[in-house]
Amino acid sequence: DADVTQTPRNRITKTGKRIMLECSQTKGHDRMYWYRQDPGLGLQLIYYSFDVKDINKGEISDGYSVSRQAQAKFSLSLESAIPNQTALYFCATSGGGGQPQHFGDGTRLSIL
Amino acid sequence: GENVEQHPSTLSVQEGDSAVIKCTYSDSASNYFPWYKQELGKRPQLIIDIRSNVGEKKDQRIAVTLNKTAKHFSLHITETQPEDSAVYFCAARVTGGGNKLTFGTGTQLKVEL
Repeated sequence: DADVTQTPRNRITKTGKRIMLECSQTKGHDRMYWYRQDPGLGLQLIYYSFDVKDINKGEISDGYSVSRQAQAKFSLSLESAIPNQTALYFCATSGGGGQPQHFGDGTRLSIL
Repeated sequence: GENVEQHPSTLSVQEGDSAVIKCTYSDSASNYFPWYKQELGKRPQLIIDIRSNVGEKKDQRIAVTLNKTAKHFSLHITETQPEDSAVYFCAARVTGGGNKLTFGTGTQLKVEL
């Protein structure tokens, strides 16, 4: 869905740098999620937010932080990137009432 | 927390054959089970889902079955086509856990001509 937009699509950076990945949506959904995908490990939840004032840690939040700037925007930050954070990162959104999650196109992040 | 196991990790079938992917979950409070298809380099896309009050759901060539007693659910693809080649992920959501999904580790399906 072009309704969930992630920027950048690709990023190569160095160890120790601060990186921000951005996600915006036009679906009008309250709920937003950040996942990390590694080969053979599926999708692991990093953080999720049910509204602007609600932020929750997922399974693998260490080394990451998030900001919900508005209903439509949810950013993921790596304060000091390390090589094992090299992965494919996906943002997803959903409506309330247990509606399905819809994913963005992903950000491929490489940390050297 | 919830744990979802998915098998097999790779599956190769001939075009026209059926494919079955199985998942088991650990938390009996799980009530929603989606399946996502991810083509190479693309986003996961929802292809079918089932809720715990239903035992089976079908959509054209794909179907999902749920056995709550055994805590497992399966994806069935009939009359497979080359465009079915992708990675498939199952997931489970626990009642009262918000809308958090726990994903399986994925199955690489290859449909050979």
